[in-house]
Amino acid sequence: KQEVTQIPAALSVPEGENLVLNCSFTDSAIYNLQWFRQDPGKGLTSLLLIQSSQREQTSGRLNASLDKSSGRSTLYIAASQPGDSATYLCAVMDFGNEKLTFGTGTRLTIIP
Amino acid sequence: DGGITQSPKYLFRKEGQNVTLSCEQNLNHDAMYWYRQDPGQGLRLIYYSQIVNDFQKGDIAEGYSVSREKKESFPLTVTSAQKNPTAFYLCASSILIGRWGQKNTGELFFGEGSRLTVL
Repeated sequence: KQEVTQIPAALSVPEGENLVLNCSFTDSAIYNLQWFRQDPGKGLTSLLLIQSSQREQTSGRLNASLDKSSGRSTLYIAASQPGDSATYLCAVMDFGNEKLTFGTGTRLTIIP
Repeated sequence: DGGITQSPKYLFRKEGQNVTLSCEQNLNHDAMYWYRQDPGQGLRLIYYSQIVNDFQKGDIAEGYSVSREKKESFPLTVTSAQKNPTAFYLCASSILIGRWGQKNTGELFFGEGSRLTVL
């Protein structure tokens, strides 16, 4: 059974710093990996999706990488801003199983 | 604008009552999903549907029921049999993987959620 882990559970960094969020998964036979953002009391917003054949995806100040062999993904946020404060979740979709397995998220706080 | 609409946003229920959460999408997506989110836990799948008039149980289906009579709609009923129904419920949809070949990424789109509180 796929398991997804995100460490740390919470992270605080000063505004302007670059930061990395981590995601690890136990079964490397994945179809894709997705990063989401969730603001308090809100739904999830898709940030980046990496297909199993890809190594990374970029959108603005965000860059997500995927290393299937080691079961790891990272989300890099450049030049952090207070508006980046939110919970970030990663989720993997296994091959042949169109369901996502979610991590528990990292709650990010950017300190002005 | 295309998207997923969940209603109501907040719902209060007395013990022993059934309640139904609405989820409507105008993205023309084939697959729809219901997740439950509890503090400190990842999202857990309740039910999902890949086609009209068909649905499958997820990891925590006990005490819940769904229907998929229209492609656009996937309502979730929280029954009195659900022992701990207070939670944040999220509906999502996606294009069915493989249906459109290489263009299908399997990306999930979520609604804004419904918070259910049992009094």
